[in-house]
Amino acid sequence: DAGVIQSPRHEVTEMGQEVTLRCKPISGHDYLFWYRQTMMRGLELLIYFNNNVPIDDSGMPEDRFSAKMPNASFSTLKIQPSEPRDSAVYFCASSLIGWEGLGNEQFFGPGTRLTVL
Amino acid sequence: AQSVTQLDSHVSVSEGTPVLLRCNYSSSYSPSLFWYVQHPNKGLQLLLKYTSAATLVKGINGFEAEFKKSETSFHLTKPSAHMSDAAEYFCVVSEEGGSEKLVFGKGTKLTVNP
Repeated sequence: DAGVIQSPRHEVTEMGQEVTLRCKPISGHDYLFWYRQTMMRGLELLIYFNNNVPIDDSGMPEDRFSAKMPNASFSTLKIQPSEPRDSAVYFCASSLIGWEGLGNEQFFGPGTRLTVL
Repeated sequence: AQSVTQLDSHVSVSEGTPVLLRCNYSSSYSPSLFWYVQHPNKGLQLLLKYTSAATLVKGINGFEAEFKKSETSFHLTKPSAHMSDAAEYFCVVSEEGGSEKLVFGKGTKLTVNP
């Protein structure tokens, strides 16, 4: 398997523009997570899905952020309009619930580095 | 609520010397614990995982960690550091209640000097 795939790897945009980040989880995984990483705040969970259904979006900073998972192999994170403070690395991760139950390994993508000017 | 505290934000060692990265956790139940590594400009990679099968867990690249319930610790060690070990390391605990959410520590940056 190719692992978790994210695109684009780098995005530079101007304030006010719409940004869409994309993620393809590992085939067969039933959980998908979106994280944001900054120097100031570290790694933050934004939202996660189970079987394409959003389970917890309490980490989404504000209404400018939205995430969708239309099918098991694709998810998007959209920021509209973007602001300079959204500049960060955004990671997508996926996992598969196993026989051990809770606490399963998450597999991370390489991240998208977003710069909002 | 569960949490993890990484006791050092930066650790610097010389190549060939032992590595110790410290982590304490707080959890009201028997947790699953992880160590992830992040090399510069890369995603996070699992080093090792504890799920109550054995208290001493061996991971990739010669790393290991010992779960000590009495001390609520899960320190990461390696006998001999390599230059390629320079990275940021995250101690992680699973959220209780059957959730798939993970709670990340703030990270420890490891520098390896020649």
